[in-house]
Amino acid sequence: AQSVTQLGSHVSVSEGALVLLRCNYSSSVPPYLFWYVQYPNQGLQLLLKYTSAATLVKGINGFEAEFKKSETSFHLTKPSAHMSDAAEYFCAVSATGNQFYFGTGTSLTVIP
Amino acid sequence: KAGVTQTPRYLIKTRGQQVTLSCSPISGHRSVSWYQQTPGQGLQFLFEYFSETQRNKGNFPGRFSGRQFSNSRSEMNVSTLELGDSALYLCASSFWDSPSEQYFGPGTRLTVT
Repeated sequence: AQSVTQLGSHVSVSEGALVLLRCNYSSSVPPYLFWYVQYPNQGLQLLLKYTSAATLVKGINGFEAEFKKSETSFHLTKPSAHMSDAAEYFCAVSATGNQFYFGTGTSLTVIP
Repeated sequence: KAGVTQTPRYLIKTRGQQVTLSCSPISGHRSVSWYQQTPGQGLQFLFEYFSETQRNKGNFPGRFSGRQFSNSRSEMNVSTLELGDSALYLCASSFWDSPSEQYFGPGTRLTVT
């Protein structure tokens, strides 16, 4: 079975500060891991994905995530937050087919 | 390339009615998945279709059903609507049949009164 846990339903950072959104996964097989972002009244947009190629994955808008098998983690980071980063972020895991299991989401607030 | 489209975008129905939502995937994508998003339960997987076959199904009652057509367009149907079915229903399409990035549509906001 697969599942993800996102620690912190709400995260606030100052503009220009480091963004760190946490995701831990559980999977009985090598997982595929994804981060998505959702802006109000919109669908989800893929930020980045891990598919066992490289452990450090770079995505769009300056985001990156590192796969750490020993910690079963896939945390999302961005060195410098921008006001436009304010949104809901979802971590997801999939192992077979296209059945994705999403975390409960982290709402990111950027303080000017 | 056009993205995933969902129709209608907004819908208001009454308890006991049924509803059909439509999803047109990105051209060439053969996998379509449906999700229900609510503030309390988050994003929950409903089902996935690949080449007109339902491959995976989430833990939802039989009132929720779907199908996929030969052109990969998909519909989901909810019968005997309940207040708790009020949610944002998201459709996502993928090219491959193995885990790959899913591209989401804007969703259909269903309100049941």
